[in-house]
Amino acid sequence: EPEVTQTPSHQVTQMGQEVILRCVPISNHLYFYWYRQILGQKVEFLVSFYNNEISEKSEIFDDQFSVERPDGSNFTLKIRSTKLEDSAMYFCASIALGLYEQYFGPGTRLTVT
Amino acid sequence: DAKTTQPPSMDCAEGRAANLPCNHSTISGNEYVYWYRQIHSQGPQYIIHGLKNNETNEMASLIITEDRKSSTLILPHATLRDTAVYYCIVRFAGRVNTGFQKLVFGTGTRLLVSP
Repeated sequence: EPEVTQTPSHQVTQMGQEVILRCVPISNHLYFYWYRQILGQKVEFLVSFYNNEISEKSEIFDDQFSVERPDGSNFTLKIRSTKLEDSAMYFCASIALGLYEQYFGPGTRLTVT
Repeated sequence: DAKTTQPPSMDCAEGRAANLPCNHSTISGNEYVYWYRQIHSQGPQYIIHGLKNNETNEMASLIITEDRKSSTLILPHATLRDTAVYYCIVRFAGRVNTGFQKLVFGTGTRLLVSP
């Protein structure tokens, strides 16, 4: 069964450093999402992406965040200058046109020290 | 999106049916009920969705009341691997293209399946 993959599974970085989280959505999917989950808290929407542009973003998704689909298969989330409060699990999700279920990846645990 | 209310936790014995309730009294006519689950910090997993008819798939059944103000997710024979947080989400789906629609997660119901 096709699945969304994410790399790395765990990323440790120092405050102020840039990180790039990578996702490979399911190949025929057209809509892509990033969510995050701070330990012990809810899963929160960050951004949705379609046709090479952001279709919606949350208040969390400020100027420090950016997304890109550089090569037609990868979907990346970049955090320019990480803060301690960016420590969380980051989930990528994708969905095909006309379908209802979003498929989530296993997540990247980001730890900012 | 309509708000949902779920009990924070439930227990179920292995092999028995797990019935997880959800209240969505403000649901509107063009909103679907979705259920996802999250096993121990893994990515959320889609289970089932419905509009007004009861639905069944290989994972679960979804029973929606006639007034659509509440629903129940049924796992017919719960196993230890069904221990997870279950999220009931109401989402607008009035257009064929549903791709733009983010999921808004609440705190869900933590289901513990015991031997």
